[in-house]
Amino acid sequence: AQSVTQLGSHVSVSEGALVLLRCNYSSSVPPYLFWYVQYPNQGLQLLLKYTSAATLVKGINGFEAEFKKSETSFHLTKPSAHMSDAAEYFCAVSSGGGADGLTFGKGTHLIIQP
Amino acid sequence: DGGITQSPKYLFRKEGQNVTLSCEQNLNHDAMYWYRQDPGQGLRLIYYSQIVNDFQKGDIAEGYSVSREKKESFPLTVTSAQKNPTAFYLCASRLGGEQPQHFGDGTRLSIL
Repeated sequence: AQSVTQLGSHVSVSEGALVLLRCNYSSSVPPYLFWYVQYPNQGLQLLLKYTSAATLVKGINGFEAEFKKSETSFHLTKPSAHMSDAAEYFCAVSSGGGADGLTFGKGTHLIIQP
Repeated sequence: DGGITQSPKYLFRKEGQNVTLSCEQNLNHDAMYWYRQDPGQGLRLIYYSQIVNDFQKGDIAEGYSVSREKKESFPLTVTSAQKNPTAFYLCASRLGGEQPQHFGDGTRLSIL
């Protein structure tokens, strides 16, 4: 069985500050890991994915994440927050690339303070 | 433009009524998925289909049914057996291999 834990249902940062959203996973097989972003009343947009290549993954909008097997973590970061980053962020895990569907964390609501 | 179209965007159901949510994709993806989203719960998998005429139950399939008669279409029926249907429903599709899932814009279902 797989599971994802996102620490912090709400994270608040100032505009221009570092964004750090935490994700820990459990998986019995080498995982594929994903970060998605959701704006109100919309679907999910892929930010980045890890599929066993480079452990530091760069995504869209300046986000990146690092896969750390020893810590079973896949934290999302962005050096400088922008007001447009305010949204809900979901970490997800799958085995086999997601053929059987993704297992999602409960999400982190990112708030950007002006 | 290629993408996933979910309709309607808002849907209302009366007690004891079945309703069907539409999901159409023109991405030529083999696999399609239905998720339910509740506030603070993340997304949970209802059903998925990897090929036409075949589908599998996800984690919360009770009270739901699906069909996959065409590659591009994967409708979800919320039956009267689903006692708490109010939620945001998201459809996704995937090409295969290491490719990620792509999502539609969702349907919000409410009970009258």
